[in-house]
Amino acid sequence: DADVTQTPRNRITKTGKRIMLECSQTKGHDRMYWYRQDPGLGLRLIYYSFDVKDINKGEISDGYSVSRQAQAKFSLSLESAIPNQTALYFCATSGAAGAPNEQFFGPGTRLTVL
Amino acid sequence: GESVGLHLPTLSVQEGDNSIINCAYSNSASDYFIWYKQESGKGPQFIIDIRSNMDKRQGQRVTVLLNKTVKHLSLQIAATQPGDSAVYFCAENKENTGKLIFGQGTTLQVKP
Repeated sequence: DADVTQTPRNRITKTGKRIMLECSQTKGHDRMYWYRQDPGLGLRLIYYSFDVKDINKGEISDGYSVSRQAQAKFSLSLESAIPNQTALYFCATSGAAGAPNEQFFGPGTRLTVL
Repeated sequence: GESVGLHLPTLSVQEGDNSIINCAYSNSASDYFIWYKQESGKGPQFIIDIRSNMDKRQGQRVTVLLNKTVKHLSLQIAATQPGDSAVYFCAENKENTGKLIFGQGTTLQVKP
């Protein structure tokens, strides 16, 4: 069973639609992250959360919002999707403050905005 | 600004040879430097990290070298195997916050 799961795995939508990507983890980790990956580029941090009451913007948060519904769940929303948000989206988790470098990634959600 | 980059987008090696993947960084304030491996269709996977006050760290078949003088990081893979074929990313973690900044990635191709 996967420790970090993402739904959906693939999504095609139209410009202007609201989209939610969901992430669940069974690792018991407090810290959760959302990243975006574009072809030929590394990952860029969108939002991160160090516990249920803590939400922080990353490098590229414009156009995105998040919700930490529980320790195990962290969702990413695109309020009004646009074509340049077409990308591969990854959720990740990490454990205690002493080990933030080892992040555990989900399988990714491929989002296409037409 | 901060940036992390890799020298070569693609590296091709023969099975059994050693591989060296390089990365340059610009942020001298980073506390940790990290290597991740991403296989096709999967999320990145942590390989190894090194604290900024260290020069070398070894793992299983991998060694990371840090040269702070020239702001250079490298990952050495011994006896490269077909399963090592993947994209390798270096990343840095400033102030040990978990906010990782990733480089662009090097694709390692292992020839049988």
